[in-house]
Amino acid sequence: DGGITQSPKYLFRKEGQNVTLSCEQNLNHDAMYWYRQDPGQGLRLIYYSQIVNDFQKGDIAEGYSVSREKKESFPLTVTSAQKNPTAFYLCASMVNWGEAFFGQGTRLTVV
Amino acid sequence: GQQVMQIPQYQHVQEGEDFTTYCNSSTTLSNIQWYKQRPGGHPVFLIQLVKSGEVKKQKRLTFQFGEAKKNSSLHITATQTTDVGTYFCAGEADRGSTLGRLYFGRGTQLTVWP
Repeated sequence: DGGITQSPKYLFRKEGQNVTLSCEQNLNHDAMYWYRQDPGQGLRLIYYSQIVNDFQKGDIAEGYSVSREKKESFPLTVTSAQKNPTAFYLCASMVNWGEAFFGQGTRLTVV
Repeated sequence: GQQVMQIPQYQHVQEGEDFTTYCNSSTTLSNIQWYKQRPGGHPVFLIQLVKSGEVKKQKRLTFQFGEAKKNSSLHITATQTTDVGTYFCAGEADRGSTLGRLYFGRGTQLTVWP
């Protein structure tokens, strides 16, 4: 089945630690996106990539990093520079002018 | 910069009542999309509107795209408990440097009392 897979579903991070969220898609979509969702805030764009080996900052990129070495994969690293990382993270892929397909999300909590 | 505003933020209705959420963009959109997110879930695509003045229906849901392609609405007739969730609009900018980027509204969280 075609789709987009995020892992893990739940992630706990200690203060000062970097963590990486995985996002894989087999839809053959060029564009991939990372969003952060906080209660009452909607979806805020962290980073997006429209082609392999290229990506752009979204509205809240500080404290995050990404890579796009393969078309299928777009991992997000939450670095220690992100002071308030507890949130629900959603990965999506899309064909230009088409619909976005979302993964199931990763809920990150700082402990 | 590009902004998409959505109102209301919350709506509580009794089962059987109607519900409407509104979306406004600061600039002209190439298309607008609507998504539904159930509690604890992820956003799921509902529909895409492309043409100026377009109206589309899905059973009890009616979607409209304004003539100027800057606003949109989602209307649910006779809500049911299965309609519970957060409804997001997302606009895609006209062709330019932000090609392929969706601008999401903050969403309207719908609660339906039985």
